[in-house]
Amino acid sequence: TQLLEQSPQFLSIQEGENLTVYCNSSSVFSSLQWYRQEPGEGPVLLVTVVTGGEVKKLKRLTFQFGDARKDSSLHITAAQPGDTGLYLCAGVATGNTPLVFGKGTRLSVIA
Amino acid sequence: KAGVTQTPRYLIKTRGQQVTLSCSPISGHRSVSWYQQTPGQGLQFLFEYFSETQRNKGNFPGRFSGRQFSNSRSEMNVSTLELGDSALYLCASGNSRVRNTEAFFGQGTRLTVV
Repeated sequence: TQLLEQSPQFLSIQEGENLTVYCNSSSVFSSLQWYRQEPGEGPVLLVTVVTGGEVKKLKRLTFQFGDARKDSSLHITAAQPGDTGLYLCAGVATGNTPLVFGKGTRLSVIA
Repeated sequence: KAGVTQTPRYLIKTRGQQVTLSCSPISGHRSVSWYQQTPGQGLQFLFEYFSETQRNKGNFPGRFSGRQFSNSRSEMNVSTLELGDSALYLCASGNSRVRNTEAFFGQGTRLTVV
């Protein structure tokens, strides 16, 4: 059972377009993180959100944590080829549960 | 400071063999987690160690085992390899007992079982 469902699985867009990827769960998470992974590398943390309704911005990337802390979204404005990669959401539920990952959204931005 | 180091980077093994992978966390980090990444299943949690104690274990068969040493370095072992064990094995280290802090990943070990 995948605790975190990400959509879409694949996304191919032109440079300059906007996009949103989603991370959904039926479980409540104490925090959610977004990572980006490039070929041949391990995932690198982009952001951590911990409060329901929280919005964080990182240059052209906007991250939102749902009010009920069950879902999150990542919005990229004016995508660039350098944004290409695998975007992973990960969350910690409660207590002693480990950090679990969604399967990811593979983004390709074409120049 | 140096990042998370995983060795070896690439490995080819035959079915039935066993393999040991190594992970050196960032200096000062006491938490090490292991994940298996495959195209179909994504990152699947294997186990987590903190100060030499296994804190959590994922839903993998007993052929998968791990340990952590007093210097926080960790190893994972897979015995009786199967073709389905082919994957990228990632190690992540953390500097806190709290789990919602950043996980720093190594580049992974790409294991191919033939």
